[in-house]
Amino acid sequence: TQLLEQSPQFLSIQEGENLTVYCNSSSVFSSLQWYRQEPGEGPVLLVTVVTGGEVKKLKRLTFQFGDARKDSSLHITAAQTGDTGLYLCAGVISSGSARQLTFGSGTQLTVLP
Amino acid sequence: NAGVTQTPKFRILKIGQSMTLQCAQDMNHNYMYWYRQDPGMGLKLIYYSVGAGITDKGEVPNGYNVSRSTTEDFPLRLELAAPSQTSVYFCASSYSTNPSYEQYFGPGTRLTVT
Repeated sequence: TQLLEQSPQFLSIQEGENLTVYCNSSSVFSSLQWYRQEPGEGPVLLVTVVTGGEVKKLKRLTFQFGDARKDSSLHITAAQTGDTGLYLCAGVISSGSARQLTFGSGTQLTVLP
Repeated sequence: NAGVTQTPKFRILKIGQSMTLQCAQDMNHNYMYWYRQDPGMGLKLIYYSVGAGITDKGEVPNGYNVSRSTTEDFPLRLELAAPSQTSVYFCASSYSTNPSYEQYFGPGTRLTVT
């Protein structure tokens, strides 16, 4: 089983602060995704990173894929209360004709006003 | 488009009962998936399907069965429910050729087995 470990598990910060969430594995993934999940809803894709060392920006969110394609980070600048949610990383595994996702356990982010 | 829909939203089962969780998508996606999400844990893949008539086991298939008779529907069957199956169940779908491999998730079914 390929495992993805996310840290921290919980994070509570004040609005305006910066934060970084980490996703680590001993396995190499063909690509890695970050999802955000709000209470009572399914996860929604934020970004997919494919190339080792790749950096993608989505407004105040910056995603980086490690050079060895085993780890990733999500950095949020000037967090807002609307950023509150569960952030999940997921490694993409190509298995035959299917593409499966292995999910990390998530980081629960709370941004306080 | 409604996207991925799941019914019911909530269900309480007694130990040993059975039920079917319904999932439907109207995006003409060929891939569909069932996950369970336990508190403090990520999503674990139960079963998946790459097209009508084709299903395969994921990481945690024991105690579950699936079928895929149409492209749109992918029901998950629980036989002899056990307390360990208390969880939130998510159905998802994706295009096989989508380069971002994005999976679209339904709103989930919260199941309690007592």
